[in-house]
Amino acid sequence: GESVGLHLPTLSVQEGDNSIINCAYSNSASDYFIWYKQESGKGPQFIIDIRSNMDKRQGQRVTVLLNKTVKHLSLQIAATQPGDSAVYFCAEFPGRSTGFQKLVFGTGTRLLVSP
Amino acid sequence: DARVTQTPRHKVTEMGQEVTMRCQPILGHNTVFWYRQTMMQGLELLAYFRNRAPLDDSGMPKDRFSAEMPDATLATLKIQPSEPRDSAVYFCASAPAGVGGYTFGSGTRLTVV
Repeated sequence: GESVGLHLPTLSVQEGDNSIINCAYSNSASDYFIWYKQESGKGPQFIIDIRSNMDKRQGQRVTVLLNKTVKHLSLQIAATQPGDSAVYFCAEFPGRSTGFQKLVFGTGTRLLVSP
Repeated sequence: DARVTQTPRHKVTEMGQEVTMRCQPILGHNTVFWYRQTMMQGLELLAYFRNRAPLDDSGMPKDRFSAEMPDATLATLKIQPSEPRDSAVYFCASAPAGVGGYTFGSGTRLTVV
């Protein structure tokens, strides 16, 4: 029978370009967000986080932007390198009202960087 | 760097056999998670523990899967009997108390033939 796989959105960029990966979250009560990077054959790796009282946070070559009005999160990678090729997941903590907080992961975006 | 250690990295087994996957969380982390990742379903949360007590295993098929934490340095995920549809990568992750990021292990790639 036919198999249906998880179709990840894919972003293809050239080395040296800036990349922007977007994520829409569903819970307006979410108060903490994380971006993870997963390279082939490895587990997800923490990249950067942001709390809901912030709009922007910068790391080394990465910036996360949070727009709570439209429930949108983005990850910007400056001067993208071939080593940045991976699947990127956003994750949210749904807020203290739910008791023990579990991260809720998005489906991921595949970033392909061409030399 | 502190890391979550999972063993084995790869496991190939025949349908019907028992499979045990192990995880050593980061020392001091009090919450441990088991995830399964497949192309079809993405990352699925199977079970998690806090201070070694199981909090939620609603993501696991109860009839064949079991998860335990015999002590603070070891978490296990067992499948008995295994089926081909269990083929996936199983990740363990640990986290400190409070709100914070999870640290994932490198996963166990399970193939059931």
